[in-house]
Amino acid sequence: QSVLTQPPSVSAAPGQKVTISCSGSSSNIGNNYVSWYHQLPGTAPKLLIYDNDKRPSGIPDRFSGSKSGTSATLDITGLQTGDEADYYCGTWDSSLTSVVFGGGTKVTVL
Amino acid sequence: QVQLVQSGAQVKKPESAVEVSCKASGGTFGSYAITWVRQAPGQGLEWMGGIIPVFGTTNYAQKFQGRVTITTDKSTGTAYMDLSSLRSEDTAVYYCARTTYYCDSGGCYYRNFDYWGQGTLVTVSS
Repeated sequence: QSVLTQPPSVSAAPGQKVTISCSGSSSNIGNNYVSWYHQLPGTAPKLLIYDNDKRPSGIPDRFSGSKSGTSATLDITGLQTGDEADYYCGTWDSSLTSVVFGGGTKVTVL
Repeated sequence: QVQLVQSGAQVKKPESAVEVSCKASGGTFGSYAITWVRQAPGQGLEWMGGIIPVFGTTNYAQKFQGRVTITTDKSTGTAYMDLSSLRSEDTAVYYCARTTYYCDSGGCYYRNFDYWGQGTLVTVSS
């Protein structure tokens, strides 16, 4: 059971938008920065969003992150077949004094 | 281009120990931390712990306390993760990741994992 809660899967047609939620508590998301990672099958995770809403160099603006209270959200617009991957949210948990991740969300392009 | 290169796959017996290494390109970690994350087959990401080389301080997830040790050799820019008393449930891909962090009066906190190693498969089997 993950400390952060994500939906197991989301799907949409090419060109559409998907939203992935990440729910936590005041000890993690509520008071710390959230990052998002995507992982293609058989490869290492890759940083997608950092500090709640910032994109590393090279990440297209189709990917956007936000945070409100104890929840965070990743939006992917203009969905492409190459976006099919697992997506994870992560943050520091001040009570556990450790990094915590969501269970991951599989994005499927219909 | 930052690269983290990990050691190769290993097969271990139950109750034994494993060491996985992670070498940073350029031979230095700079002002970053290094953390270790594992992923069991078909499962999600699980943070094990990390180290801030400039301070020499470590943080371990409660689940792994007493079984995991993370160290660095600053002279070679290599980080190590040692896991003891292995059991079948430890079969996983182990990743190192360069990590940003911030510190305040309460301590230091890991923030973002911006570069990852390629992963090392550790199989625990009798």
